[in-house]
Amino acid sequence: SYVLTQPPSVSVAPGRTARITCGGNNIGSKSVHWYQQKPGQAPVLVVYYDDDRPSGIPERFSGSNSGNTATLTISRVEAGDEAGYYCQVWDSDSDHYVFGTGTEVTVL
Amino acid sequence: EVQLVESGGGLVQPGGSLRLSCAASGFTFNTYWMSWVRQAPGKGLEWVANMKQDGSEKYYVDSVKGRFTISRDNAKNSLYLQMNSLRAEDTAFYYCARVSGRGWYPFDYWGQGTLVTVSS
Repeated sequence: SYVLTQPPSVSVAPGRTARITCGGNNIGSKSVHWYQQKPGQAPVLVVYYDDDRPSGIPERFSGSNSGNTATLTISRVEAGDEAGYYCQVWDSDSDHYVFGTGTEVTVL
Repeated sequence: EVQLVESGGGLVQPGGSLRLSCAASGFTFNTYWMSWVRQAPGKGLEWVANMKQDGSEKYYVDSVKGRFTISRDNAKNSLYLQMNSLRAEDTAFYYCARVSGRGWYPFDYWGQGTLVTVSS
């Protein structure tokens, strides 16, 4: 089955840039979506189709995808960005939706 | 405003059954695929099942095939998940989520979730 690997945690100072990676075999050939989940809340879509943002999501959130790594970038990090982040793809070989292992972002 | 509200969670013994419901509002329910996604406490997200607008296509993660059944009632704007032969490893928050189609589409709206605990 297709596996998406994320670092368990990323720490960043306010105002700096956080980069969260999502590794998968030839992930660059797939469309990647990213979700933010704050404690006790449901996930929220923050980036879809690699680099698009839903309405209401700040421009500080951006994405890229190439080769074996997709990346979610959070610029000018704020305290409110502290959350878990998950990447997600659809694996056509297994016909399953696959989520990454998740990354906890801590704002120092 | 799109709203998805799950209900029906609770404590059930191993081998038991439970039926989850998801009430949808704020969008034209019968034009969207719908999904169930679960999350064990303190763990990551796992897709469980999804269903086409008219119910003609249903897909499941391997671990629930033959035990869980996804269904919908478009007249009531509702999605359901019938869970039978429950196991301890099915313990999780269950979220319903809207998706525009099958395949590359994102889960663009999620409910707040309902907790299912399987324990004796």
